[in-house]
Amino acid sequence: DIQMTQSPSSLSASQGDRVIITCRASQSISKSLNWYRHKPGGAPELLIYAASTLQSGVQSRVSGSGSGTEFTLTISSLQPEDFATYYCQQSYITPYTFGQGTKLEIK
Amino acid sequence: EVQLVESGGGLIQPGRSLRLSCAGSGFFFGDDGLSWFRQPPGKGLEWVGYIRAKAFGEATNYAASVKDRFIISRDDSKGIAHLQMNSLKTEDTGVYFCTRDRIRYFDWIPGGYYYYMDVWGKGTTVIVSS
Repeated sequence: DIQMTQSPSSLSASQGDRVIITCRASQSISKSLNWYRHKPGGAPELLIYAASTLQSGVQSRVSGSGSGTEFTLTISSLQPEDFATYYCQQSYITPYTFGQGTKLEIK
Repeated sequence: EVQLVESGGGLIQPGRSLRLSCAGSGFFFGDDGLSWFRQPPGKGLEWVGYIRAKAFGEATNYAASVKDRFIISRDDSKGIAHLQMNSLKTEDTGVYFCTRDRIRYFDWIPGGYYYYMDVWGKGTTVIVSS
């Protein structure tokens, strides 16, 4: 199975800050990487697919980059709704696997 | 509004069976594949399995941990998918989510078809305990 490793596991930031979350795959997955935001009790929300394609309806201050084994999610100018847990997921090959999550908290 | 709603969760004893449902609305259900994911208490997300659209033969695929115990099916006429869970184990406890799986064609992926999960339900909770 492909192992996905996110860093950091948790992050404290203030509204208006820019944050970067990193995801590494244990083998090359080309650009088969999705990012999700998940709030407690809610439905996970797709933010980015194919490493850098912004999902329709997601604000442009969210962006993704990378290919192969190294990927990043950048959120600029944090807003209150951004404080949540973020997951990367590879859909290159089954079993689809996720990073362990990055919990973004308000400083 | 495109929406998925899961139901059927509950408290169940180990070894018993449970069937979850996923009802879709706001889109043509038969056009898309569907997946199930789960989140054990205090842990991250795990893929359970998928069923492709009829155009792709309704092919199914499962995680090793549930293969031969779980079955995904779909009834496009009713806009519902099911996750039949048999021989339940305590480690199957968690919140179960269904997703709509979209396809994009990219030449950089083997086979050309890229799947991503663009709509998720809020989940239904399954607790396997004696």
